[in-house]
Amino acid sequence: AQSVSQHNHHVILSEAASLELGCNYSYGGTVNLFWYVQYPGQHLQLLLKYFSGDPLVKGIKGFEAEFIKSKFSFNLRKPSVQWSDTAEYFCAVNSGGYNKLIFGAGTRLAVHP
Amino acid sequence: DAMVIQNPRYQVTQFGKPVTLSCSQTLNHNVMYWYQQKSSQAPKLLFHYYDKDFNNEADTPDNFQSRRPNTSFCFLDIRSPGLGDAAMYLCATTRGGGLVAYEQFFGPGTRLTVL
Repeated sequence: AQSVSQHNHHVILSEAASLELGCNYSYGGTVNLFWYVQYPGQHLQLLLKYFSGDPLVKGIKGFEAEFIKSKFSFNLRKPSVQWSDTAEYFCAVNSGGYNKLIFGAGTRLAVHP
Repeated sequence: DAMVIQNPRYQVTQFGKPVTLSCSQTLNHNVMYWYQQKSSQAPKLLFHYYDKDFNNEADTPDNFQSRRPNTSFCFLDIRSPGLGDAAMYLCATTRGGGLVAYEQFFGPGTRLTVL
């Protein structure tokens, strides 16, 4: 069965620190990869996605992620976080029909001013 | 703005009392999904509609049913809620078609409490 692992459940950073959130998936075929963010009290929103092409994808709000096929990874990065980045981040993979998503357990990020 | 709307945002029901959650969308997407998300866990797909075709996940309990009367609306019915069904229920939509993958758009969720 396909699965998605997010290594860090809770991350605490100070403003301006760099961020990297790990995501690994288990599926050997073609995958589409996503990072969603859920700000406090809000709905899940797409940060970025990888379907094909350049493995380094850029998303909204200065986030980027790199798809490394050999490592089955799709880590999320941001060079300098802000207090407003406090949220829960979910990695997800879509490998089947009907665009069904398999989510990781999420990483709660708290950014202190 | 086109969006996915869920009502109510908070629902309290009693153990064993049927409850219905609703989702509507203005995106005109042909695929709609229902997810269950328990505290500190990943959203888990319950089922989805591709147009009018209903697709149940293998491990979704029979207690959960769904209806999609038209493109815009989709309902989640929990016939006899148990304490373990307390969760956030998320509705999502996407444009489906062929082998192309599209992102899903999520509603704000309905938080269900079972007393």
